Amino acid sequence: GQQVMQIPQYQHVQEGEDFTTYCNSSTTLSNIQWYKQRPGGHPVFLIQLVKSGEVKKQKRLTFQFGEAKKNSSLHITATQTTDVGTYFCAGWASYDKVIFGPGTSLSVIP
Amino acid sequence: KAGVTQTPRYLIKTRGQQVTLSCSPISGHRSVSWYQQTPGQGLQFLFEYFSETQRNKGNFPGRFSGRQFSNSRSEMNVSTLELGDSALYLCASSLPGQRGTDTQYFGPGTRLTVL
Repeated sequence: GQQVMQIPQYQHVQEGEDFTTYCNSSTTLSNIQWYKQRPGGHPVFLIQLVKSGEVKKQKRLTFQFGEAKKNSSLHITATQTTDVGTYFCAGWASYDKVIFGPGTSLSVIP
Repeated sequence: KAGVTQTPRYLIKTRGQQVTLSCSPISGHRSVSWYQQTPGQGLQFLFEYFSETQRNKGNFPGRFSGRQFSNSRSEMNVSTLELGDSALYLCASSLPGQRGTDTQYFGPGTRLTVL
């Protein structure tokens, strides 16, 4: 069946360093969404990517969708303590099935 | 607009019991999905309801069931609880937009502990 993987599983960075998490699907995706879950909180929608090769930016966050629509990445420039949390990608393989990746847990050391 | 609400927030049950969790979606949202989140398995999709009909289902045993009411509120039921059912159960609602492009708005979850 379809699988969505994320690497790394955990990442510890010094405040101010950059951070990247990668999402890889075993099948071609129609679109991909990214969510952030703060410790003790619930997932919150960040962004959706639909087009092959699409790049979107939200302040210090840059999201990319691969040309083959099977992988995606989230890059955070100059991390801050407010970036702490788990970042999930969610891939739609068809229009009725979404699979969440296992998430990347980010810790930021002040 | 009020967000997704879930009740109760915390629940402690013993093995063999059954439990019912409730979810009220954002006003105007007609799709409600349920997820189980555990440290080991991450976010696992349980099922989705749209206009009182189950539209999609994950790979969970029949002990897990749900329903949706005409006002879009949804309930999830787990019968014959097992220790492994201890988890955070998240409900997410979305607009009836084009399938596959729905942004999901998650509730705070119900933390279920099975002893």
